[in-house]
Amino acid sequence: AQSVTQLDSQVPVFEEAPVELRCNYSSSVSVYLFWYVQYPNQGLQLLLKYLSGSTLVKGINGFEAEFNKSQTSFHLRKPSVHISDTAEYFCAVSVGNTGFQKLVFGTGTRLLVSP
Amino acid sequence: DADVTQTPRNRITKTGKRIMLECSQTKGHDRMYWYRQDPGLGLRLIYYSFDVKDINKGEISDGYSVSRQAQAKFSLSLESAIPNQTALYFCATSDPGQGATYFGEGSWLTVV
Repeated sequence: AQSVTQLDSQVPVFEEAPVELRCNYSSSVSVYLFWYVQYPNQGLQLLLKYLSGSTLVKGINGFEAEFNKSQTSFHLRKPSVHISDTAEYFCAVSVGNTGFQKLVFGTGTRLLVSP
Repeated sequence: DADVTQTPRNRITKTGKRIMLECSQTKGHDRMYWYRQDPGLGLRLIYYSFDVKDINKGEISDGYSVSRQAQAKFSLSLESAIPNQTALYFCATSDPGQGATYFGEGSWLTVV
């Protein structure tokens, strides 16, 4: 069965510093990979997704992620964070192409941006 | 209007009571899901449905039931609520062709 590991439960960072949120997955078949963001007291918003093609995926709010098949990773990066990026970030995987799509989530990483 | 609407948004109920969370979507997708979010555990799948006649258990279905009343409606029931079902519940619908899943705003449920 597929699974997703987000090793960092919390990442503190200063404003304007770069940040990387790590995500590793386990799956023996092709995967679709996603990053979602949850701002305080809100629902989930899609940041970016990898379905196929270029392994470097750009998303909203200046975030990007790189799919690395050999390392089974899909780390999220931003070169310069803002206070408003403070939120919880979830990595998710969906396995299959023509089959059903149900998302399996990691446990989340809380990004804390301070001045 | 939101693509996925959940009601109620907040509910406090007592142990042993029956509670229903309702979800409706305007995306026109066949696939719908109920997830539960707990701190430190991420989101876990409770039930999912690929169409009106298809219902499947997720990884944590015990203590829950669902009803797919129409393509656009998918409700989650707790027949006899218990305190460890206190959580944030999300409904979602997906378009597998686009690799897109759309989430509702969430329903906070507290069981006392």
